[in-house]
Amino acid sequence: SQELEQSPQSLIVQEGKNLTINCTSSKTLYGLYWYKQKYGEGLIFLMMLQKGGEEKSHEKITAKLDEKKQQSSLHITASQPSHAGIYLCGADSPYGGSQGNLIFGKGTKLSVKP
Amino acid sequence: EAGVAQSPRYKIIEKRQSVAFWCNPISGHATLYWYQQILGQGPKLLIQFQNNGVVDDSQLPKDRFSAERLKGVDSTLKIQPAKLEDSAVYLCASSLVPGNYGYTFGSGTRLTVV
Repeated sequence: SQELEQSPQSLIVQEGKNLTINCTSSKTLYGLYWYKQKYGEGLIFLMMLQKGGEEKSHEKITAKLDEKKQQSSLHITASQPSHAGIYLCGADSPYGGSQGNLIFGKGTKLSVKP
Repeated sequence: EAGVAQSPRYKIIEKRQSVAFWCNPISGHATLYWYQQILGQGPKLLIQFQNNGVVDDSQLPKDRFSAERLKGVDSTLKIQPAKLEDSAVYLCASSLVPGNYGYTFGSGTRLTVV
């Protein structure tokens, strides 16, 4: 079965600093999603990447997909306290019992110090 | 467009008691998912419905968990009897078409079993 590994597990940065979170898949990525979650709450959709080399940006958050490396990275520029939370990567799971559901990494907990 | 509605937001029960969670997906979304997220981990799929039929319930602990989506719209997830290890956030999500861009998650139900 496919697995997603996120690194780092947690991150503390000073406000204004840049940071990168990585998500590596054990198998070919067919669709990679990034979500943000506040502790104990629902998932907020950030971006979805489908093609190798694809890069998307939303405000100060940029995500890239490296298909050959089976990896995606999420980069935050000039971090703010509002960026704090748990970042989860998810991938479409074509393997296993059925298609059309997401498997997730364990998440990266981001804290931003004012 | 209204989002995915879940209730209750929080629930505290004693072990061996029963509990039920409710989810109303986005109107017109045929696919509905229930995920379990234990603290510090990524969400794990429990069950996937396509209209009122089960597509994947391979990871649902069927001795204590049950779920239904009788009219192909809203859904109920039940745990009976609950164990301490069931403490988690239960997330409901829906999508128009399985495996397609557009998974929308609800705010989740945080369950604490004491």
